[in-house]
Amino acid sequence: AQKITQTQPGMFVQEKEAVTLDCTYDTSDQSYGLFWYKQPSSGEMIFLIYQGSYDEQNATEGRYSLNFQKARKSANLVISASQLGDSAMYFCAMREGSDTGNQFYFGTGTSLTVIP
Amino acid sequence: DSGVTQTPKHLITATGQRVTLRCSPRSGDLSVYWYQQSLDQGLQFLIQYYNGEERAKGNILERFSAQQFPDLHSELNLSSLELGDSALYFCASSRGHDTGELFFGEGSRLTVL
Repeated sequence: AQKITQTQPGMFVQEKEAVTLDCTYDTSDQSYGLFWYKQPSSGEMIFLIYQGSYDEQNATEGRYSLNFQKARKSANLVISASQLGDSAMYFCAMREGSDTGNQFYFGTGTSLTVIP
Repeated sequence: DSGVTQTPKHLITATGQRVTLRCSPRSGDLSVYWYQQSLDQGLQFLIQYYNGEERAKGNILERFSAQQFPDLHSELNLSSLELGDSALYFCASSRGHDTGELFFGEGSRLTVL
C-alpha cells in the first residue's frame, strides 16, 4: 500500500483565491510527522509546513495551513490568497520514526498553476 | 539555505562513465538520504545512512552505491551510466530522532549523453 497518496496530479487556482491540495497517508505508528514541500521550476525542495501526529491544532505558516484529520488520515495543504509565485510542484511527505533514524515517504506530487 | 551542501550542482557525462555525487549534511544531523527525481517524476528513495551505517534501501540500482563517512558526509557513486540515469539527485538530512523535518540540498543535476 502507498504510504502517501496525492490524488491530484494538477490543480489550477485563480490568483488571490484559496486552494486545497489533498494528501492521505497510511501508517500504523502512533508517532509520525507530516510535511509539505514545494518544488518550483528551479528544482530545489522547499520545506513549507509540519504537523506532528500528537499536535491537536492544525499547523499554520503564513499563508499555508495544514488541515489535519487524524481519523481520516488526511493532511491537506491549504494555500490562502494564492500568488503567481505559488505555481510549483507540491509534495506531501510523512516521517515514521525508528530507533535507527527516520523514514520519510513522499507522494507523487501535485502541480499547482496559479492563473492571473 | 537548508544547510545541506551538494556538489556538483550540474554534471554532464557520457554513457558508460562513472560519477560521484557528494553531500554534506546539516550540522548535527546523523541521517542522510539520497533521492532520485527523473523528469516529471516524484522523488524515488534510493538509500539512507544513519551515523555511518546503511539503514534502508529503496529503488537503488546495483550500479549505484553509497557510503557515509565518519565525518557524516556522504557520497553516491553512479557507474556504467545510462541515458536513463539522467536526473536530479537530492541529498537530504535529518536529526535522526523523533522530531524534525528533512532538509534538502539543492540537488545535483546529472545529464548523461
